[in-house]
Amino acid sequence: QSALTQPASVSGSPGQSITISCTGTSSDVGGYNYVSWYQQYPGKAPKLMIYEVSSRPSGVSNRFSGSKSGNTASLTISGLQAEDEADYYCSSYTTSSTHVFGGGTKLTVL
Amino acid sequence: EVQVVESGGGLVQPGGSLRLSCAASGFTFSRHWMRWVRQAPGKGLEWVANINPNESEKYYVDSVKGRFTISRDNAKNSLFLQMNSVRAEDTAVYFCARDGVPAAGDVWGQGTTVTVSS
Repeated sequence: QSALTQPASVSGSPGQSITISCTGTSSDVGGYNYVSWYQQYPGKAPKLMIYEVSSRPSGVSNRFSGSKSGNTASLTISGLQAEDEADYYCSSYTTSSTHVFGGGTKLTVL
Repeated sequence: EVQVVESGGGLVQPGGSLRLSCAASGFTFSRHWMRWVRQAPGKGLEWVANINPNESEKYYVDSVKGRFTISRDNAKNSLFLQMNSVRAEDTAVYFCARDGVPAAGDVWGQGTTVTVSS
């Protein structure tokens, strides 16, 4: 049950696009289309942004999109806005019927 | 309003026990998988355990197996986490969440804080 690998930080200017990667193994990310992404502000609860690799819950902006290739999933945020500055976590279902999170990525909007 | 609200956190000594509760409202609790996720101070999210609607399936992260037990009472729309033999490394905010979509938590509580210290 090793954590998925995410970059510790990414940054971008307003209006730009950024991508956060999430690397696992064939036992988690690569083996299932059950990758999800969460946004978390300091001191707050996580918010689901993407599930099943690329599906968006109702109410989540279409500026957020997800994809997967092999053992690596990605979250892309287009038209970056100041309010997007937060921590982002990926998560995957695993062959052990458990779930695993990534270490988290701090997004800074310059 | 669809919501879940955690309670039961507090200060507990190493080796002690604590029972966390999560009260659900605004949705049909008995139809959903539920999960516990924790976050140690200044650290990332860690999935702890989940349970299916009829309690026939329960899964745990390795670090809590044999010490924590997840359970639910569908009649009372409640989820529980019994924490035994707690350790300093169990200190965290514990979140309850509903799996309203496949393999993802779509409704989260604000969390309850557990501090393990002598």
